Amino acid sequence: GQNIDQPTEMTATEGAIVQINCTYQTSGFNGLFWYQQHAGEAPTFLSYNVLDGLEEKGRFSSFLSRSKGYSYLLLKELQMKDSASYLCAVRTGGGNKLTFGTGTQLKVEL
Amino acid sequence: DADVTQTPRNRITKTGKRIMLECSQTKGHDRMYWYRQDPGLGLQLIYYSFDVKDINKGEISDGYSVSRQAQAKFSLSLESAIPNQTALYFCATSDLAEVLWCQETQYFGPGTRLLVL
Repeated sequence: GQNIDQPTEMTATEGAIVQINCTYQTSGFNGLFWYQQHAGEAPTFLSYNVLDGLEEKGRFSSFLSRSKGYSYLLLKELQMKDSASYLCAVRTGGGNKLTFGTGTQLKVEL
Repeated sequence: DADVTQTPRNRITKTGKRIMLECSQTKGHDRMYWYRQDPGLGLQLIYYSFDVKDINKGEISDGYSVSRQAQAKFSLSLESAIPNQTALYFCATSDLAEVLWCQETQYFGPGTRLLVL
């Protein structure tokens, strides 16, 4: 079976840095995605990792360690609009089927 | 205009009724997906289709059926709705061409909020 774990909630301060962790145990691994989802809206793509290491895209970075079954999403210079749920999703095998974690609800405070 | 659209955006129905949720895309993508999202649970895959003649069951297909009418249209039906099918439903698409660089991101529609009484 597939198992993906993320913290349920996190709180951080505007302007700060926050790291959202994701651990996974899956049969086969073929890429990891991070999505952002504001309440009641569609998930939107943030980042993709398939090889070990760090991928940086502006204020957002994502890291992957395949041997540890671990990824994190790093958000820098937090803004109020970053308050949202962050979903970790793992693709296993062929066919682009994704298994999603339950999401981490991030609250950014003044 | 949005690339992936879903209709209706909100729907209230009664137990036992048959309803259809529709998804259309202008992205030209080959692959389409239906998910449901419940509070406290991750997105769960209901059905997916890799082209017009291809339909596959996902994790939670019981009680649902789909139709891929054209490359751009993928409909989800609840044959006899029940209250535990109350959820937020998302359609998604992906581009087979992205397989070439192994990414194949899924892009989501705005969702349909369904309430079954």
